[in-house]
Amino acid sequence: QAVVTQEPSLTVSPGGTVTLTCGSSTGAVTSGHYPYWFQQRPGQAPRALIFDTNNRYSSTPSRFSGSLLGGKAALTLSDAQPDDEAEYYCLLFHSTIAMYGGGTKLTVL
Amino acid sequence: QVHLQQSGPGLVKPSQTLSLTCVISGDSVSGNSAAWNWIRQSPSRGLEWLGWTYFRSKWYNDYAVSVRSRIAINADTSKNQFSLQLNSVTPEDTAVYYCATRRFDSWGQGTLVTVSS
Repeated sequence: QAVVTQEPSLTVSPGGTVTLTCGSSTGAVTSGHYPYWFQQRPGQAPRALIFDTNNRYSSTPSRFSGSLLGGKAALTLSDAQPDDEAEYYCLLFHSTIAMYGGGTKLTVL
Repeated sequence: QVHLQQSGPGLVKPSQTLSLTCVISGDSVSGNSAAWNWIRQSPSRGLEWLGWTYFRSKWYNDYAVSVRSRIAINADTSKNQFSLQLNSVTPEDTAVYYCATRRFDSWGQGTLVTVSS
């Protein structure tokens, strides 16, 4: 069974840029894994930010962008705001089975 | 915008069956581009995708390996809803359970299910 890996924690300065990554134990992540990215604030349900590698939902701020980088899926946050401090999860499809990563706790400090 | 409303018991005894329902507004459970997910979250297991169901001339299901032997996700077209059944539960199945749309852009309100005698 595949394992999806994320950085446990990252810190970014207000106004700065940070990239979170999402890897698969089966090898390079491709668009065929249909990467998703979610944001979760304490006490709230997860909120989807990116689907199919690099597509924003209508409600996703433009400072969030998705890509493939070095064999992984990546979420780049530009111009970080204090409100962006949250847990971020990626999800990958391996064939028709989806799996979440363990999450990255992002601190804006 | 699709709205999902969950219902089901918050307490289940060990070895019994966990059953939750998700009623859909704003889309059809059998829509030819729709799919319907169940996800759970606990402090010990994090976010865990459990499975989904979708209709493409016939009904399909896919399930996470971790629960494949004891899970069933079914759709009820007459009520425009889908359900989760998880058999032989243990305290490890204690979690907040969510239903969600195909692209995870709409979620149910979440149901805390505690497995305890």
